[in-house]
Amino acid sequence: DAGITQSPRHKVTETGTPVTLRCHQTENHRYMYWYRQDPGHGLRLIHYSYGVKDTDKGEVSDGYSVSRSKTEDFLLTLESATSSQTSVYFCAISDFQGTYEQYFGPGTRLTVT
Amino acid sequence: GQQLNQSPQSMFIQEGEDVSMNCTSSSIFNTWLWYKQDPGEGPVLLIALYKAGELTSNGRLTAQFGITRKDSFLNISASIPSDVGIYFCAGQKGTGNQFYFGTGTSLTVIP
Repeated sequence: DAGITQSPRHKVTETGTPVTLRCHQTENHRYMYWYRQDPGHGLRLIHYSYGVKDTDKGEVSDGYSVSRSKTEDFLLTLESATSSQTSVYFCAISDFQGTYEQYFGPGTRLTVT
Repeated sequence: GQQLNQSPQSMFIQEGEDVSMNCTSSSIFNTWLWYKQDPGEGPVLLIALYKAGELTSNGRLTAQFGITRKDSFLNISASIPSDVGIYFCAGQKGTGNQFYFGTGTSLTVIP
């Protein structure tokens, strides 16, 4: 298994509160991604990073921000959580060094009440 | 955003049967990936394909990179109960560093 951990694994929070999810990798991969998975929508890209302090928006970035201060850590922040952000969030990593494979973390289930 | 068309959406099969599913797109991809996701877990990479026409196996799983580069296929032979889960395809284009995902095929194996 690729060395990817996510924390917390489960979180319940109230509308309007800030939330930060953490992804940590031990593979030294350059690229890191945050996805959300919802029934009927599959996996949708929120933000991704192509290096330390280098990030870009994905398909569903509104209401989310990210930061990457170290190769191994990629943080996803919901500045003011809304009920529409209730979802399962997955972190993924990739390296594009000869092969184009992407590996996923175990996910964080977030419920916004 | 772009999504890949994956079919069928769901399958109910008897243990021992073979399974086929496919993924199509209007765009050309340079890489096709197939994943399996168990409930409550992240997707796990099963097979990666890099060349048009390529046929790659992983145990009872065989995947093919379509000749047109716009589709890919996954076959599971002699299904067993632990094959239950959702199977996703993903494609990566020649430029850029993003992956595009299918909507998934839910597989149920009846013992």
